[in-house]
Amino acid sequence: QSALTQPASVSGSPGQSITISCTGTTSDVGGYNNVSWYQQHPGKAPKLLISGVNNRPSGLSNRFSGSKSGNTASLTISGLQAEDEADYYCSSYTNSSSVVFGGGTKLTVL
Amino acid sequence: QAQLQQSGPGLVKPSQTLSLTCAISGDSVSSSSAAWNWIRQSPSRGLEWLGRTYYRSKWYNDYAVSVMSRITITPETSKNQFSLQLNSVTPEDTAVYYCARDPLGGNWYDPWGQGTLVTVSS
Repeated sequence: QSALTQPASVSGSPGQSITISCTGTTSDVGGYNNVSWYQQHPGKAPKLLISGVNNRPSGLSNRFSGSKSGNTASLTISGLQAEDEADYYCSSYTNSSSVVFGGGTKLTVL
Repeated sequence: QAQLQQSGPGLVKPSQTLSLTCAISGDSVSSSSAAWNWIRQSPSRGLEWLGRTYYRSKWYNDYAVSVMSRITITPETSKNQFSLQLNSVTPEDTAVYYCARDPLGGNWYDPWGQGTLVTVSS
């Protein structure tokens, strides 16, 4: 199972919005609404941001939102803050009863 | 609030068995809705799902094809924990290993354990 495709890096200024894409196939992203997104700061474990394409965990800022169109899922972060600087990963269930992750995107807040 | 606490050695010799344990608090390994997963992360392979165990009237396991011949994930109900064994390790198995809960079987993970760096080296 090949990794999902994410841009290696994105950047934005405080207060701006950015979108990170996650492209798969009909065997994973396009075939299921089981896309999730994680934030990872250096030396820390990943933290869940979005499950089921567009569901935020209780207590998570509504600055984070998810969507999906066809084989591509997206994570949008609005009102960028310095603490949003981190690595972001998508994942999806696959038709081989496994889970595949994206290669990760490094977000830089300018 | 579920929490996961990992334990196990950080150094394993090539051809030997990697063994890690994940202790659960705030939930049960025998939960009829959750699944208990192992995921690893390395610079070369990124995040890689390894497998899971879960209870739905009986115990089930699913494993990634890449490690299926070498992996065992075992629930330990008396201690409310689950374990990972990966046999015949090579330097390519060097990674940070995480345990993680999938609360509702929706293939998303929350929370994660703290991570264990396992180095395969003689």
